[in-house]
Amino acid sequence: AQTVTQSQPEMSVQEAETVTLSCTYDTSENNYYLFWYKQPPSRQMILVIRQEAYKQQNATENRFSVNFQKAAKSFSLKISDSQLGDTAMYFCAFMNNAGNMLTFGGGTRLMVKP
Amino acid sequence: NAGVTQTPKFRVLKTGQSMTLLCAQDMNHEYMYWYRQDPGMGLRLIHYSVGEGTTAKGEVPDGYNVSRLKKQNFLLGLESAAPSQTSVYFCASSYSLQGQSGYTFGSGTRLTVV
Repeated sequence: AQTVTQSQPEMSVQEAETVTLSCTYDTSENNYYLFWYKQPPSRQMILVIRQEAYKQQNATENRFSVNFQKAAKSFSLKISDSQLGDTAMYFCAFMNNAGNMLTFGGGTRLMVKP
Repeated sequence: NAGVTQTPKFRVLKTGQSMTLLCAQDMNHEYMYWYRQDPGMGLRLIHYSVGEGTTAKGEVPDGYNVSRLKKQNFLLGLESAAPSQTSVYFCASSYSLQGQSGYTFGSGTRLTVV
């Protein structure tokens, strides 16, 4: 079974600064998919960014980018120019190649301070 | 707005009572999922469905049943509620099994079993 670990339960960053959230995972599969989801206080789960394991290029979505290290099984999220609206829980998630299991990490609570 | 709608949003049950949570999506997604979210544990998959009339067990299926009689609806049932089922329940749907377009989540149902 796959496991996803987020070792930072809470983090804070000053507005306009850059912050990196860590995620590691364990799998024996070669092809898989990785995601970062944002959960603001509204509870809505919002897809932030997605990475396919067979792609070497790191995914980027505006201020959000990832550092995908396949050999190290690491998938960190970098948020540049942090905004107050980025305050939320962030979940790293792993999807197996069959696509029938999306496994989440325990989450990191990010606070952006003015 | 198109998306995933969950009803009810909140519910309090007494131990032993039964209830059904309804999930409806209007995006013509083939795949639907039920997750539960507990503090510090991220989301865990209860059951999922790869199409109308089909369901399968996820990571934590015990105590729950599901049905997918119509493509747009995915029902989660608790036959005899227990305090351990106090949680926030999320429904999600996706166009593809591998989540190329990501999962679309509902806004959650907070269930308390007393």
